[in-house]
This record gives sequence, C-alpha cells and structure tokens, in this order.
Amino acid sequence: DAGVIQSPRHEVTEMGQEVTLRCKPISGHDYLFWYRQTMMRGLELLIYFNNNVPIDDSGMPEDRFSAKMPNASFSTLKIQPSEPRDSAVYFCASSLRTGGGYTFGSGTRLTVV
Amino acid sequence: DAKTTQPNSMESNEEEPVHLPCNHSTISGTDYIHWYRQLPSQGPEYVIHGLTSNVNNRMASLAIAEDRKSSTLILHRATLRDAAVYYCILRDPYNQGGKLIFGQGTELSVKP
Repeated sequence: DAGVIQSPRHEVTEMGQEVTLRCKPISGHDYLFWYRQTMMRGLELLIYFNNNVPIDDSGMPEDRFSAKMPNASFSTLKIQPSEPRDSAVYFCASSLRTGGGYTFGSGTRLTVV
Repeated sequence: DAKTTQPNSMESNEEEPVHLPCNHSTISGTDYIHWYRQLPSQGPEYVIHGLTSNVNNRMASLAIAEDRKSSTLILHRATLRDAAVYYCILRDPYNQGGKLIFGQGTELSVKP
C-alpha cells in the first residue's frame, strides 16, 4: 500500500487566490481527518469524515475553508480566498477503525504571500 | 477532551533505553492511550496504543499504570533516527469518532 497520498507537496500562492489540497486515503479506511500544523498552534484537527460523510467540522477556522469527500478514495480541502495566516503544513490522515492507529500523509506545505 | 501532560523535552544517549512519561489523570474507562511521533519535516507516525495491559511492538513498548492515570513509552535502544516529537494522546473510539487531539508532545533528542 502506498499509504496516504497528499498533493501537492508544496504550494505557493498569492493572497486572495483559491487553494485546493488533495488527499487519497488508504483503501478500506473509513475515517479521514484533515489537520493543520503551525509553530504557534501545533497540530489542529480541522474536520473529519466517516464513510465519506463530514462528522465534525468544528475545527475549521472560518467559512473560507471547506472540505469534501466525494468518494471513499478522495478528499479535498479548499481555501477561498487564501490569506497569509493560512500558511501552514496541512496533513491528511486515515484510519481503518476508530480504535486503531491513524496513518498520516506527508503533508502539503502551503505558503500564502 | 481528556488531556495529557508530557515533559517538553528529553535527552537520551544513543543505544540507551528511553522512558517517555505521560500523565492522564482524567482518563475515562473507554479512552485508549495512543502514542505517535513526528520526525523532522514528516507527518506524525503511529507508534503504539493500549487500553489497560502493557503492549509491545517492533517499535516500542507501552507500560500502563494499574490505575491508568499514567503511562510510559519505552524505546529499548535509542538511535539517532528516534529523535522526534513524541505525542501521548487519549482516544475514545466510542465518542466523537475517536478523533485524536494533539498536545505539544515531548521533543526527544538523541546524542551519539
């Protein structure tokens, strides 16, 4: 298994532009999580899905952020419009069952200038 | 969310055992104790988890106190590649989807 795959690895964009981050979870995993990591705030849970359905989006910072999971093998996190304070590393993770361990992707490093 | 308390940093010498402590005095009966680590410039990596009994795997051992209010992650022989931030997290699979809430973790440095 190739693990959790995120793309792109790095993204540099200008303030006000739309940014879309992508994630392919491990096949068969039924939970998918999006995290954001910054030096100031550490790892923050943004949203998670169970069987493609968003369960808890209380960590999404504001309406500029949205996430979708159209099928079991693909999820997107979109920021529109982007702002410099959105600069961070965004991680996607998936889990087979609620009691087991998560597998994280390598992350997308987003820089908004 | 139940909280955990870990030292901010620890040092170890290469090829010596490392004991990383974690306190979780408000743990509930359905909370599993999870450990993850994050190497520099990488995503977090699952290490081990347990509920009540001590657990061993190829990466580490997890020792859980009898009252479950504390636990210790044991790396039997530290290598330079074990230098990372180690996170101790409580996960309740029956509540809130078993989501993981990360704290600040313990930054482990390993000296040759």
